[in-house]
Amino acid sequence: DAGVIQSPRHEVTEMGQEVTLRCKPISGHDYLFWYRQTMMRGLELLIYFNNNVPIDDSGMPEDRFSAKMPNASFSTLKIQPSEPRDSAVYFCASSFEGAEAFFGQGTRLTVV
Amino acid sequence: QQPVQSPQAVILREGEDAVINCSSSKALYSVHWYRQKHGEAPVFLMILLKGGEQKGHDKISASFNEKKQQSSLYLTASQLSYSGTYFCGTETNAGKSTFGDGTTLTVKP
Repeated sequence: DAGVIQSPRHEVTEMGQEVTLRCKPISGHDYLFWYRQTMMRGLELLIYFNNNVPIDDSGMPEDRFSAKMPNASFSTLKIQPSEPRDSAVYFCASSFEGAEAFFGQGTRLTVV
Repeated sequence: QQPVQSPQAVILREGEDAVINCSSSKALYSVHWYRQKHGEAPVFLMILLKGGEQKGHDKISASFNEKKQQSSLYLTASQLSYSGTYFCGTETNAGKSTFGDGTTLTVKP
C-alpha cells in the first residue's frame, strides 16, 4: 500500500477563496482523522470519521470548515472562505480500529 | 484541555537515556505517542490503553498510570535517529482527543 495520500502537497491561495484538501486513506482502515499543525497552536485534531461517518467534529474551528467522507477511500476538508489565519499544515491520518495511526505527508496551506 | 508534556526540550549525548512525561487533568482512556522530525509527518510510536500497562519496542518504551492520568515515554541508549519532537495524544473516557505541545529531543554525537 502507498500509505495515506494527500493532495495537494502545497497550496497557496488568496483570502476569500475556497480551498479543498484531499485525502486517500490506507485501504481497509476504518478511521480517518484530519489534523492541523501550526507553530502557535501545535497539533490539533479537527474531525474524525469511523466507517465514513463523522464522529467528532468539535475541533473544527468555524463553520467555514467542513469535511466529508463520501466513501471509504476518499475524504475532503474544505475551507470557504479561507483566511490568512488558516495557514497551516493539514494532515490526514487513518487507522484500523483506532489503533496505530498512519499520517499522510500533509498539505501546507498558505492563505495570502 | 490538552495534556501537559515535560520537559519542553532535552538535549542528550548518544547513548544517554531520557524520559518524557505526559499529564492530563482528565480521566484518560488511552495515550498515544508520536515522533515528528522537522518537515515530516508524525510517526506513530505506540498506544497505551488504561490498565497501567507498559509497552515498548527496541529501546523505546512507555507506561500509563490511569489513576494519575500520566504517561511516560522512556528512551534508552539514545541514538541520533531519536532526535525529533515527541507528542503525546490523549483520549478521554468521553472520547475527546487532544495533543500535548510536544517535547523536542536533540541527540548529539
